[in-house]
Amino acid sequence: DAGVTQSPTHLIKTRGQQVTLRCSPKSGHDTVSWYQQALGQGPQFIFQYYEEEERQRGNFPDRFSGHQFPNYSSELNVNALLLGDSALYLCASSPMDFGARKTQYFGPGTRLTVL
Amino acid sequence: GDSVTQMEGPVTLSEEAFLTINCTYTATGYPSLFWYVQYPGEGLQLLLKATKADDKGSNKGFEATYRKETTSFHLEKGSVQVSDSAVYFCALTENTGNQFYFGTGTSLTVIP
Repeated sequence: DAGVTQSPTHLIKTRGQQVTLRCSPKSGHDTVSWYQQALGQGPQFIFQYYEEEERQRGNFPDRFSGHQFPNYSSELNVNALLLGDSALYLCASSPMDFGARKTQYFGPGTRLTVL
Repeated sequence: GDSVTQMEGPVTLSEEAFLTINCTYTATGYPSLFWYVQYPGEGLQLLLKATKADDKGSNKGFEATYRKETTSFHLEKGSVQVSDSAVYFCALTENTGNQFYFGTGTSLTVIP
């Protein structure tokens, strides 16, 4: 049973560029959340997608947007990159079972470096 | 708002020593509490969880008890191994399970 997968593993961009990160949830999971983890910090919630809609959003600017596809996979898009966007971006998925929904399972992350 | 506070690191222990990593939380409702572990260069792995007061989560020798009266969820292990070296994150989520709030992480190094 494959866990949460993310691509690419690493990415280098320059300021002002745009980036798209991808995530495939665990089998049987329908909800995807995205987090930003700066070096030496805990993950910060960006947003969550369920049934192809953004269900909740953290304190991130509109430059951060996302999408969920019918197969539950998801993309995170960041426009007009800033140096401060350099971080590990984590995707987490949650099960369809409502009783177990509160547990999130994380992927390995995408390391984004903005130069 | 909701938040998690973890003890500052880094923590360095000798193999077979006793481990405690303190975690306290602030929440408006009745959250579920979690410990995640992050090994170098990897994502977060769920270590254990507790969903209501007085529940004890346990896994791989690690334990944590949900204490509502002290709003705490301290992580303990009786005898650490070199392979336990990692960063440990305490986290909470409210009943909706949408957003997780994480602490800043505690780095643990176990020396032989």
